[in-house]
Amino acid sequence: ETGVTQSPTHLIKTRGQQVTLRCSSQSGHNTVSWYQQALGQGPQFIFQYYREEENGRGNFPPRFSGLQFPNYSSELNVNALELDDSALYLCASSLGGERYTFGSGTRLTVV
Amino acid sequence: LAKTTQPISMDSYEGQEVNITCSHNNIATNDYITWYQQFPSQGPRFIIQGYKTKVTNEVASLFIPADRKSSTLSLPRVSLSDTAVYYCLVGDPASNYQLIWGAGTKLIIKP
Repeated sequence: ETGVTQSPTHLIKTRGQQVTLRCSSQSGHNTVSWYQQALGQGPQFIFQYYREEENGRGNFPPRFSGLQFPNYSSELNVNALELDDSALYLCASSLGGERYTFGSGTRLTVV
Repeated sequence: LAKTTQPISMDSYEGQEVNITCSHNNIATNDYITWYQQFPSQGPRFIIQGYKTKVTNEVASLFIPADRKSSTLSLPRVSLSDTAVYYCLVGDPASNYQLIWGAGTKLIIKP
């Protein structure tokens, strides 16, 4: 079985730009969550999708948005990038919300 | 949402048993205790989950006292490759996305 795959692995963007990060969930998993992890801190929950519907959101502004597709893959979109958005973005998938499997993340640097 | 407290860092030596304790005084009836391991520039990896008493798998044991206000992750005979950050999480598996991640415990194994 394949794990969670995220792309790209690294990305550099300029402040004010928009970015799209992608995630392929583990085979058989129908739930995808996205996290932001700043250096030296634990992951912070951004939002979760279950069967293409957002069913949970953390304390992030609306410029953080997402999608889940019929094959359960997912995208995280961030508009109007700020310097503080520089972080490791993690995608995690699960079957019904239990025992998440994480990808290796996308390292986003905003300059 | 239950919060957890765990040591910021710990040191040990190869071949030793390592115990990391997590305090969760406000744990709710439906909450489970889950531990994840994270290596640098990788996503967290599920280690073990339990509700009460003792749980053991191929990599670790989890000890939970009767009052469930704390838990101890036990790693038998650690090796250098066990150097990582360990996160203790408390939450209802039915709504796992609501888990709050702290900064974790940075475990350093020395030769």
